[in-house]
Parts: sequence; C-alpha cells; structure tokens
Amino acid sequence: AQSVTQLGSHVSVSEGALVLLRCNYSSSVPPYLFWYVQYPNQGLQLLLKYTSAATLVKGINGFEAEFKKSETSFHLTKPSAHMSDAAEYFCAVSSSSNTGKLIFGQGTTLQVKP
Amino acid sequence: DAGVIQSPRHEVTEMGQEVTLRCKPISGHNSLFWYRQTMMRGLELLIYFNNNVPIDDSGMPEDRFSAKMPNASFSTLKIQPSEPRDSAVYFCASSFEPTGGTDTQYFGPGTRLTVL
Repeated sequence: AQSVTQLGSHVSVSEGALVLLRCNYSSSVPPYLFWYVQYPNQGLQLLLKYTSAATLVKGINGFEAEFKKSETSFHLTKPSAHMSDAAEYFCAVSSSSNTGKLIFGQGTTLQVKP
Repeated sequence: DAGVIQSPRHEVTEMGQEVTLRCKPISGHNSLFWYRQTMMRGLELLIYFNNNVPIDDSGMPEDRFSAKMPNASFSTLKIQPSEPRDSAVYFCASSFEPTGGTDTQYFGPGTRLTVL
C-alpha cells in the first residue's frame, strides 16, 4: 500500500523568503512522486515529478524537490516566494503497479505575506 | 489542445434529484479519473478508467454513484438520488499511460455541486 503525509496544512512565508513544503511517503515498491498546485477555483496543475531518474527535480515557476529514499521524503522548495505562489499544494505518489492511480496527500495551503 | 473539459461548471440541485456530471478528456489520453474534493476529506479518487474500462471503483461512496465511459472521448458521473453530503467539487483528469504510473494527470476545472 502507498500513502502520503504532508506536514503542515498551512504554511505562511513572507514575500522573498524560502518556501519549504514537506512531504513524506510510504511505499512498498519504488515510488513515483508528484507535486501539484491548485490555484483558487481551478483544477490541479503539475509542478514537477520524480520518476526514478535524477533525485533533484526542477519544476515550473522556480520550484524544485529532492527525492530522499533514506528519509522517504520529497520536500518542495523555492528560494524566494512570490505573491503569486499563494495556492494549495498537493504531494502524490504512484508506482508502476498502479497503472496511473495517484494517492494524494491532504494538501498544504501556502500563504505569502507582503 | 483544449484541455480536459467538464460540464456543467456549477450545479445546484435539490436533495433527491439526479445529477449528471460530464467530462471530455484530452484527445489521445487513455486513462480517465474522477475525483471529489471537500474541505473535510480533501481530494478523493472515486473511480478511474483505462482504455474505457473501469479499473478501480473502490472510491465510489455507495450505490447512488455510478460512472460510465462509453467511448474514449466522453465520461459521465451520475448521482441518483443526490444528498446534501454530496456537495463538493468534482474533478475529472486524464492521462496517457503507456508504461503505467509515471504520466502526468491533467485536471479539468471542476464542477462545483451544491445539493440543497
């Protein structure tokens, strides 16, 4: 079975500060890991994904995430927050045995203060 | 490409009525997913199809919910009879899964359902 835990349902940062959103996963098979972003009143949009190539994955809008097998983590970071980054962020896990089924975390709402 | 298309975008209905949500996946995609999002339960996978065949419907809440995919370009999610606790945003997503597990799901804008 696979599962995802996102630590912190709400994260608040100042504009220009580091963004760190935490995600830990549980998987009995090699995982594929995803970060999606949801802006208000919109569907989810892929930020980045890890599919067993490079462990440091770069995504859109300056975000990146590092797969750490020893820590079963896939934390999302961005060096400098913009006001436009305010949204809800979801971590998700899948595997080759799941035929595309994603298991989502509960989401983290990012607030960016001016 | 137009992306995943969902209709209606908003639906307000009364308890006991039948509700049908519609989804047109991205052309060429062979997997389709229905999700429900609420404040209390977050994002839940209801059912997904691969090559028009339902693969996993373990997330469908109960017999009041049913989903069909008669062809590669259309799917419906039906609730009959609807109840106030079905109020949520329902998302449809599609992907192309040649190898399984790695491909991006593209989400539609969602249907906001309110059952009075």
